[in-house]
Amino acid sequence: DSGVTQTPKHLITATGQRVTLRCSPRSGDLSVYWYQQSLDQGLQFLIQYYNGEERAKGNILERFSAQQFPDLHSELNLSSLELGDSALYFCASSDTGDIYNSPLHFGNGTRLTVT
Amino acid sequence: DQQVKQNSPSLSVQEGRISILNCDYTNSMFDYFLWYKKYPAEGPTFLISISSIKDKNEDGRFTVFLNKSAKHLSLHIVPSQPGDSAVYFCAARGGKLIFGQGTELSVKP
Repeated sequence: DSGVTQTPKHLITATGQRVTLRCSPRSGDLSVYWYQQSLDQGLQFLIQYYNGEERAKGNILERFSAQQFPDLHSELNLSSLELGDSALYFCASSDTGDIYNSPLHFGNGTRLTVT
Repeated sequence: DQQVKQNSPSLSVQEGRISILNCDYTNSMFDYFLWYKKYPAEGPTFLISISSIKDKNEDGRFTVFLNKSAKHLSLHIVPSQPGDSAVYFCAARGGKLIFGQGTELSVKP
């Protein structure tokens, strides 16, 4: 158990809809990362937050947004969903914003299916 | 533009033998490399890492080798065990952590 909690585990929704994925980091971790894993793809970095502030941005679509709250949990919002958004979404956390000193700890992911 | 590539989607090895998983990268500015292991229905878990100032790091049955001139790293597992069967991701730090596509290792008894 990594200590990172993601909810829900599975989500099935229709095209055009909006969903929210939630992540609770390990106790004491200040940094949260979001990754997307599509079929046959590696883990694509979406966005990182550190102590409530956006730290780094990757290949995140404009239809997607995220935030980290004062209690350090994070939410990833996906809107105007398309079939191609079907993927596994992972959240990871680390105690600092620097992965050199603190490898990422991943949650078990949320599997999103857009029909 | 795939900066970190794992060209073998799968690898099958006999129990007790050596497993060698390979990873290539394109950005010479990457300064830190990691391997993660992922079981089905679970998130990736950190396995081993290596700084760009080293060429080898060993942890029990797992050894990572880094060849900077070739922009290549490899993970050696000796001896391989059935419990090692999983998907292995290599990752490189370049401002953000960039992952390869993964290699599925199957260790047969």
